[in-house]
Amino acid sequence: KQEVTQIPAALSVPEGENLVLNCSFTDSAIYNLQWFRQDPGKGLTSLLLIQSSQREQTSGRLNASLDKSSGRSTLYIAASQPGDSATYLCAVGNTDKLIFGTGTRLQVFP
Amino acid sequence: DTGVSQNPRHKITKRGQNVTFRCDPISEHNRLYWYRQTLGQGPEFLTYFQNEAQLEKSRLLSDRFSAERPKGSFSTLEIQRTEQGDSAMYLCASSVARNTEAFFGQGTRLTVV
Repeated sequence: KQEVTQIPAALSVPEGENLVLNCSFTDSAIYNLQWFRQDPGKGLTSLLLIQSSQREQTSGRLNASLDKSSGRSTLYIAASQPGDSATYLCAVGNTDKLIFGTGTRLQVFP
Repeated sequence: DTGVSQNPRHKITKRGQNVTFRCDPISEHNRLYWYRQTLGQGPEFLTYFQNEAQLEKSRLLSDRFSAERPKGSFSTLEIQRTEQGDSAMYLCASSVARNTEAFFGQGTRLTVV
């Protein structure tokens, strides 16, 4: 059974710091991995999708990497801003559905 | 196209009542998914449709839950005889095809009192 873990569960950093969020999964037989952002009480916003054949994807200040063999993905956020404060969720594509971690709650203070 | 749309955004109901939620996916997205999220947890898969066909249901989807997607367009999720344990955020997502990027709606927050 696929299990997805995100570390740390919460993170508080000053504005301007570069930071890394971690995601690990137990079964390397995945189709893809997707990172999402969720603001309190809201739905999910897709940030990046990495297909299983890819090693990384970049979008603006975000960079996500994927190492299938070790069951790990990282989301790198450069020059963090207060507007980045949210919960970040990773999800692995397993056959026809996504399996989510419990998220990392990020707070960026001015 | 404004993305995946869910209605209502919030629903408060008394225990034992029936509720129905609606999801309008992004147009031309063949796949539609329902997930449930409780506080502090990641979303959990409930069911998905390929066009109008419901292809998989999670064991989380008890007999009180039913989902439809008539004509492969919008979808409805109905919960009969609601229980307090049904209180959660119900999220809908759609994608163009299998294993492509999933786009989520804003969710429907259900509170059963």
